[in-house]
Amino acid sequence: AQKVTQAQTEISVVEKEDVTLDCVYETRDTTYYLFWYKQPPSGELVFLIRRNSFDEQNEISGRYSWNFQKSTSSFNFTITASQVVDSAVYFCALRPGNTGKLIFGQGTTLQVKP
Amino acid sequence: DVKVTQSSRYLVKRTGEKVFLECVQDMDHENMFWYRQDPGLGLRLIYFSYDVKMKEKGDIPEGYSVSREKKERFSLILESASTNQTSMYLCASSLQYRTNYGYTFGSGTRLTVV
Repeated sequence: AQKVTQAQTEISVVEKEDVTLDCVYETRDTTYYLFWYKQPPSGELVFLIRRNSFDEQNEISGRYSWNFQKSTSSFNFTITASQVVDSAVYFCALRPGNTGKLIFGQGTTLQVKP
Repeated sequence: DVKVTQSSRYLVKRTGEKVFLECVQDMDHENMFWYRQDPGLGLRLIYFSYDVKMKEKGDIPEGYSVSREKKERFSLILESASTNQTSMYLCASSLQYRTNYGYTFGSGTRLTVV
């Protein structure tokens, strides 16, 4: 089965706190791609990062960082020193290598309070 | 700037009406997708298309159909709207099948069926 699980439905933090959003995926494919998207209140999903299954190197982009671990089938997303503008719904997604379809997790709503 | 445009931001329709949701992309993408987004369920794939006049069922196609007469336009049709089709509908496009490209999303159409 191909599946993405985001166990955290809602997270609330105070500005400047660090926060980690969890993502666990299931696939039997050896080639696959993982994504994170941000959905602000405006509704449009914004692409944040793409990772392929052969690249386990962690990535940092400003205050954002991603930890990809094939051993635990996880692709977690950390926001350092959170800001109010980070408030959004965040989706983790899996694209199996043999299909063009994206399989999404349930989403995590992040609220950053001033 | 690349764009996926959904014709309506908000729609209210009556039960039993035939409803058309339109999506246009200006990126010459081959692939187009329709998802619905519901709280706690994430995004679920309704239909997708890899080329003009081609369509494939996603995970929840019941009660929906699609039309792709031109490459840039992908329409979602609710043959006889029902209240359980009240949802946020998101259109997306991507460049090619079997690549590691992500999707570009539209801003969504929030449909209410009364």
